[in-house]
Amino acid sequence: AQTVTQSQPEMSVQEAETVTLSCTYDTSESDYYLFWYKQPPSRQMILVIRQEAYKQQNATENRFSVNFQKAAKSFSLKISDSQLGDAAMYFCAYRSLYSGAGSYQLTFGKGTKLSVIP
Amino acid sequence: SQTIHQWPATLVQPVGSPLSLECTVEGTSNPNLYWYRQAAGRGLQLLFYSVGIGQISSEVPQNLSASRPQDRQFILSSKKLLLSDSGFYLCACLSGTGLETQYFGPGTRLLVL
Repeated sequence: AQTVTQSQPEMSVQEAETVTLSCTYDTSESDYYLFWYKQPPSRQMILVIRQEAYKQQNATENRFSVNFQKAAKSFSLKISDSQLGDAAMYFCAYRSLYSGAGSYQLTFGKGTKLSVIP
Repeated sequence: SQTIHQWPATLVQPVGSPLSLECTVEGTSNPNLYWYRQAAGRGLQLLFYSVGIGQISSEVPQNLSASRPQDRQFILSSKKLLLSDSGFYLCACLSGTGLETQYFGPGTRLLVL
């Protein structure tokens, strides 16, 4: 079974600065997806960014980018020019590319709480 | 893109009472649907998923059940709530040709007293 580990329960960043959230995972599969979700105080889970394991290029979405190291099984999220609205819980998640039972279920890490200091 | 609705937004129920949480999806058809629970300060736990009408798979044995009476409706139920059922319940949807990304509804806060 796959596992996802987020080793930083809490982090803080100064507004306008850059912060990197860490995520490692364990899998024997070669094809899979990785995700970062954001959960603000409203608690709705919002997709931040997705990475396909077969793509060597790191995904980017505006101020959000990832550092995907497949051999090291590492998937970190970099937030540039941090804004107050970035304060939230951030969850890393893994999904197999294929699913025999059709579940395509996500395996989540325990999350990192990010605080943004004005 | 799809829109996911969850009802109610907040619910306070006594121990032993029944439960019905509803999730409906707009803007897509034949989605995979999921129920997750998030206890306070913890990650997400997959409870049930459904790949079609009447098809339910359970991931965690418990006193909860799920049903999918229509293509875009997913219901989470219990006959008798326990204190440990308190938490935040999220419905998620997976659809589209690539079946790549799960999108989540706004969630339901359940407090069992």
